[in-house]
Amino acid sequence: QLVVTQSPSASASLGASVKLTCTLSSGHSTYSIAWHQQQPEKSPRYLMKVNSDGSHSKGDEIPERFSGSSSGAERYLTISSLQSEDEADYYCQTWGTGIRVFGGGTKLTVL
Amino acid sequence: QVQLVESGGGVVQPGTSLRLSCAASGFDFRTFSMNWVRQAPGKGLEWVAVISYDGSKTSYADSLKGRFTISRDNSKNTLFLQVNSLRPEDTAVYYCARKDLDFDYWGQGTLVTVSS
Repeated sequence: QLVVTQSPSASASLGASVKLTCTLSSGHSTYSIAWHQQQPEKSPRYLMKVNSDGSHSKGDEIPERFSGSSSGAERYLTISSLQSEDEADYYCQTWGTGIRVFGGGTKLTVL
Repeated sequence: QVQLVESGGGVVQPGTSLRLSCAASGFDFRTFSMNWVRQAPGKGLEWVAVISYDGSKTSYADSLKGRFTISRDNSKNTLFLQVNSLRPEDTAVYYCARKDLDFDYWGQGTLVTVSS
């Protein structure tokens, strides 16, 4: 069964970096994923697609301080130079034949 | 620029039906697959359904099959979601999202509240 797992919460200080993790279920380690950001009271916004080889392609006007990477079944979103507006929920999303799946989301707190 | 504007939400009674719409502009709608995603209050995102660019193929989340129908009218650049036999647990913001696999644009959502 295709599942993506995320930690419920993360925190980091203003100006620092943070790395969020999305883990693909067993047997799906080669799948690509997408990262979406949802700021409080807003609709989600597409950040990027991350492939199994670590390559990533970002959405329109996504700042350079957002980047993606991979290792095995894990897909990462790294945010550097954290700003207050980065405090948000971050969702990873993947897909298979006839199915699209979201992780439970990670709530990022900027201290 | 790409715009997706949902409408059709509101407060409805259990057991009734509703049709949600998503008006698309700023891109060639007829060349993109489209999705519906919902979010219950205080909860995460839940994928609902996808439709191919020409409407010939659809897929649904297993848990929602049977009550939900996704469709589109490419002549009007509009995506639809028909929801029948509404239940309180269908209360959510419903978003439309562009593209087949990685959803690259989202609408602002329309709130559906199912309550007697």
